[in-house]
Amino acid sequence: GAVVSQHPSRVICKSGTSVKIECRSLDFQATTMFWYRQFPKQSLMLMATSNEGSKATYEQGVEKDKFLINHASLTLSTLTVTSAHPEDSSFYICSASLGGLGVETQYFGPGTRLLVL
Amino acid sequence: AQSVAQPEDQVNVAEGNPLTVKCTYSVSGNPYLFWYVQYPNRGLQFLLKYITGDNLVKGSYGFEAEFNKSQTSFHLKKPSALVSDSALYFCAVRFPYSSASKIIFGSGTRLSIRP
Repeated sequence: GAVVSQHPSRVICKSGTSVKIECRSLDFQATTMFWYRQFPKQSLMLMATSNEGSKATYEQGVEKDKFLINHASLTLSTLTVTSAHPEDSSFYICSASLGGLGVETQYFGPGTRLLVL
Repeated sequence: AQSVAQPEDQVNVAEGNPLTVKCTYSVSGNPYLFWYVQYPNRGLQFLLKYITGDNLVKGSYGFEAEFNKSQTSFHLKKPSALVSDSALYFCAVRFPYSSASKIIFGSGTRLSIRP
């Protein structure tokens, strides 16, 4: 149980294009999902908290117009990197929260490696 | 400031020996503590968590962790290491009933088990 998938697993795109990454909770409903970014040999950096049916909450320093988040259902959140540039190349990981209020556990997707040329 | 620290960038252990990966935290109040493992080019896998109750928590793949409130630590342990345990390990802390349910990750410790 508590499986989270991400699609695509790897994407290469040209500078200036937009890329959409999907995060799905396969066997549970997740009111809250999270998007992280991980640079090589570093820890995860929380980008935003995605709540079903409402606007995402972005962490300080994360451009909301560049990283568009949509949480249209209890099992799907999407992250769109708009007008991607080489510095956006990174490993993007989502997680979905499962459990009662105050005792949730986050379950993570396998990650999406983005390379912008 | 609330934070979580993993003081060791790398831990090297011989197969069959016990292993410990250290984690300390600095918070106000009683935190919820987690350990996750990450294999190369993969997302994080949940290992175990401490919410309340018994200070010794048992998790997946034979791992366990001990919550020590006086030392503000939550070290990850395993009695007998396997080569397949080689991976990147993250300690994480969440503050109870915080509205955003956010967790903070440590910097990670790379565990290397030699045959």
